[in-house]
Amino acid sequence: DQQVKQNSPSLSVQEGRISILNCDYTNSMFDYFLWYKKYPAEGPTFLISISSIKDKNEDGRFTVFLNKSAKHLSLHIVPSQPGDSAVYFCAAGLQAGTALIFGKGTTLSVSS
Amino acid sequence: DVKVTQSSRYLVKRTGEKVFLECVQDMDHENMFWYRQDPGLGLRLIYFSYDVKMKEKGDIPEGYSVSREKKERFSLILESASTNQTSMYLCASSQYEQYFGPGTRLTVT
Repeated sequence: DQQVKQNSPSLSVQEGRISILNCDYTNSMFDYFLWYKKYPAEGPTFLISISSIKDKNEDGRFTVFLNKSAKHLSLHIVPSQPGDSAVYFCAAGLQAGTALIFGKGTTLSVSS
Repeated sequence: DVKVTQSSRYLVKRTGEKVFLECVQDMDHENMFWYRQDPGLGLRLIYFSYDVKMKEKGDIPEGYSVSREKKERFSLILESASTNQTSMYLCASSQYEQYFGPGTRLTVT
């Protein structure tokens, strides 16, 4: 059974608008959550993380929101740029630095 | 800047061959990981290590083994390669967030 789910395989957004990527998890023991971006034929690049003691973390155009009661997190990208077009993976772990469970990814396409 | 390097970007091997995938990190991280990525399946954890000479099975360890003789190096071994091991293999290291290498695209024919 999938412990980390990204239910939208793809998302299309216009340049300058907000992109919202969603992720749900089932294991209440998860304490550390991350978002990665991946281009074809490259390794994933770390974007942003959040621990369970917080409900929001911002880094430039990227904001991650965590709703522990709903076991849901989301990544907001504002404003979206064509260079943001990539596959985005949500990941969760028991604590920072430890093994992660990844979702299956959401392909974001930002058109100009 | 964290650097994780993998020995090959592309590799083609025959069924039954023994395959070694090498990973080296330069940030003195304790933790290292091997994943494979397949279309529609995301990243799946094969093995991980939290210390030298220590290893733990991930979600899909069958057909693989690992070696960690030095802190900076974590090797993935396919004992007898099979066609269903054709995949993108990704190594990562971490203190907090995981940093990934560029990946090895392995094709087993």
